[in-house]
Amino acid sequence: QLQLQESGPGLVKPSETLSLTCTVSGGSISSSSYYWGWIRQPPGKGLEWIGSIYYSGSSYYNPSLKSRVTISVDTSKNQFSLKLSSVTAADTAVYYCARHVSHSPDYWGQGTLVTVSS
Amino acid sequence: EIVLTQSPATLSLSPGERATLSCRASQGVSSYLAWYQQKPGQAPRLLIYDASNRATGIPARFSGSGSGTDFTLTISSLEPEDFAVYYCQQRSNWPLTFGQGTRLEIK
Repeated sequence: QLQLQESGPGLVKPSETLSLTCTVSGGSISSSSYYWGWIRQPPGKGLEWIGSIYYSGSSYYNPSLKSRVTISVDTSKNQFSLKLSSVTAADTAVYYCARHVSHSPDYWGQGTLVTVSS
Repeated sequence: EIVLTQSPATLSLSPGERATLSCRASQGVSSYLAWYQQKPGQAPRLLIYDASNRATGIPARFSGSGSGTDFTLTISSLEPEDFAVYYCQQRSNWPLTFGQGTRLEIK
């Protein structure tokens, strides 16, 4: 059974860089069938797609975040990562990693709350 | 960016009733639309992909229809566990976008 698990700091200071890693188990991140991506959800609000990456490194980003976002993949560790720079309180959210099949997320991690505060 | 507008914002129904949720796209997305269910404290769960295909393990009471700009998620007979928030999502154009959600609550 495929499982995804987010990890990283739960508290980040304003203007710093948010860094999260998603570890994939029960399947290979190098599968040719899938993209791997990040979605976030501010408390009490809806879902926002951040970006997604193929195992080869090909990636897509949300233009609203593109200048601050980097998604990378490490096939040797079966992981992919998110970096979001220059964070503000508006970046406070639950961050989910997810497998994308035909660009729709099908398997999701449990999510991790990241709070931006000094 | 394609904007997805869901209606109604909140739907109040009783178990056993039929639920009809709508998602309208600001431009055509062909059949590239998915539906998700989210319960409090949980990650979203994929219900329907490509407008009308049930994801693995999804009960037959969930069905999707539509193409172009207008889509519907129907739950034929509500079970207690179906009360949740539902989101639509398009994959026709980058960036991927989600609707704002419909809250299905117990009447």
